[in-house]
Amino acid sequence: NAGVTQTPKFRVLKTGQSMTLLCAQDMNHEYMYWYRQDPGMGLRLIHYSVGEGTTAKGEVPDGYNVSRLKKQNFLLGLESAAPSQTSVYFCASSYSLRAAEAFFGQGTRLTVV
Amino acid sequence: GIQVEQSPPDLILQEGANSTLRCNFSDSVNNLQWFHQNPWGQLINLFYIPSGTKQNGRLSATTVATERYSLLYISSSQTTDSGVYFCAVGWGVRAGNQFYFGTGTSLTVIP
Repeated sequence: NAGVTQTPKFRVLKTGQSMTLLCAQDMNHEYMYWYRQDPGMGLRLIHYSVGEGTTAKGEVPDGYNVSRLKKQNFLLGLESAAPSQTSVYFCASSYSLRAAEAFFGQGTRLTVV
Repeated sequence: GIQVEQSPPDLILQEGANSTLRCNFSDSVNNLQWFHQNPWGQLINLFYIPSGTKQNGRLSATTVATERYSLLYISSSQTTDSGVYFCAVGWGVRAGNQFYFGTGTSLTVIP
């Protein structure tokens, strides 16, 4: 049982390059989330999805896009990477938000130079 | 959004000591979790505890939802308890479908 899997685990980008982070969950969860973690700031929500084909903005959505074409996958895209997007990115999923635990992937460390 | 405050921000303990970590939140929520982020960066679920008290080995947690706070107790601390402890809250009138994290308590347990 893999749980929540993020790909890749590490990546270095040049300013202006684009990339996509993949999150896959095998728990049949409806809700999926993308967070970024910066030193001293805890985790902040970028975008989330409450079901296949739906997405919504979180606290810090600027510079990111997402898609949820399949229930088990949630993609986070950076169209034109900036040094301010250097961070650790976490994906999470839960059966619901009201009455269920959220489970996190192992994180992706992204550096934009 | 919801404000989530954790205290203390930093804590250094001698192995074997006990500690209490606190999480205050600014509005009514229906979901509260405690996580441990180990030194390798992995987020580990400790408790799902929107209300009441739970225990798991040396760790226990209590949430008083009506007073908007939660406590995490660590007894007989071990070096493997080191890391950052996060409280996260979600689902409520002001939270909506979002899950808000505090800035964490950084715990160092020394042998």
